[in-house]
Amino acid sequence: DIQMTQSPSSLSASVGDRVTITCRASQSVSKYLNWYQQKPGKAPKLLIYGISSLQSGVPSRFRGSGSGTDFTLTISSLQPEDFATYYCQQSYSILWTFGQGTKVEIK
Amino acid sequence: QVQLQESGPGLVKPSETLSLTCAVSGDSISNYYWSWIRQPPGKGLECIGYISHSGGTNYNPSLKSRVTISVDTSKNQISLNLISVTAADSALYYCARVSPGIGVDYWGQGTLVTVSS
Repeated sequence: DIQMTQSPSSLSASVGDRVTITCRASQSVSKYLNWYQQKPGKAPKLLIYGISSLQSGVPSRFRGSGSGTDFTLTISSLQPEDFATYYCQQSYSILWTFGQGTKVEIK
Repeated sequence: QVQLQESGPGLVKPSETLSLTCAVSGDSISNYYWSWIRQPPGKGLECIGYISHSGGTNYNPSLKSRVTISVDTSKNQISLNLISVTAADSALYYCARVSPGIGVDYWGQGTLVTVSS
């Protein structure tokens, strides 16, 4: 299995802050890296696919980057609706795996 | 607008079979892959497996001996069967659409399944 490790597991931030979440794969996942946002009581929502492509309707303050095994999700200016848990996911291998999640909380 | 709706028993006894159905509306299930993903309360996401519209499947190796995912194109439905369940199978079960080259772009609301006697 390809293990996906996110850091940090949680963070506190204020509205307007720049937030960065990292995701490291145990082996290269090529371009097959996606990011999801999950709010309490809701299903996850696809934010970014293929490392850096923004899913339709997702605000441009979300940006994905990286390559190989190291990836980053950046929120350029945190908004109230962005407080949620974020997951990275690889679809490179037959067994898709998710990171453990990063919870973004209000400071 | 694509909508996915999971249904099935919310309570299953240990050693029995968990059976869920996902009804897809707003689009044909052809030309996509479909996945079941679960999330134990307060925990992360685990891919159970996925199936193509033609019926080809891939399962999580940790569940492979117990899981079957199938598709009924005439009903536009996807099904999940998980045999010999234990308390560790208690989770919120999501049905989801996978667009090739994109990812899991549509999710159902999820259905909570508790395994308990």
